[in-house]
Amino acid sequence: KAGVTQTPRYLIKTRGQQVTLSCSPISGHRSVSWYQQTPGQGLQFLFEYFSETQRNKGNFPGRFSGRQFSNSRSEMNVSTLELGDSALYLCASGDGNTEAFFGQGTRLTVV
Amino acid sequence: GIQVEQSPPDLILQEGANSTLRCNFSDSVNNLQWFHQNPWGQLINLFYIPSGTKQNGRLSATTVATERYSLLYISSSQTTDSGVYFCAVERLRGFKTIFGAGTRLFVKA
Repeated sequence: KAGVTQTPRYLIKTRGQQVTLSCSPISGHRSVSWYQQTPGQGLQFLFEYFSETQRNKGNFPGRFSGRQFSNSRSEMNVSTLELGDSALYLCASGDGNTEAFFGQGTRLTVV
Repeated sequence: GIQVEQSPPDLILQEGANSTLRCNFSDSVNNLQWFHQNPWGQLINLFYIPSGTKQNGRLSATTVATERYSLLYISSSQTTDSGVYFCAVERLRGFKTIFGAGTRLFVKA
């Protein structure tokens, strides 16, 4: 059974650009959550999707958005990138009620 | 919102030693997981343990939900146990997982 797949693994972008990250959950899982990890703020919740509906979101500006497709794959988008958006972005997959499994993450560097 | 506190923040052990990591949370939770983050950033599932006790090899965990804490035990530590250990909780129908700040473990050979 394949695990959670995040693409790309590494990304370098310039301030002001936008970026889209992708997450393919474990087959059968309908919940996808996104997290940002930085040395200063730790692991912070961005948003959670279940069957294409956003069920909760964290305290991030509107530049951060996401969506989930009918096949449960999810994308998150960050517009107008800032230097402070440099982080490891992690995606988790689950059945929506119990254990979550994480992908390897996308390391984003904004220059 | 719910607060998650992990202790100690840093831990240095000699190979072969035992250790206990603690996670306190401020409200009732529906889910609780322990993770080990490897040097490449991936979070590895250790335990899904909203209550009770589980063991997996040299690792075991106990969650006392009524007292709002969980413990992760590492016995006979190895250098490969080094890394950051996270506790993560979710409230019932919260749809939002909150992570503690982690315990950074270094095991010396």
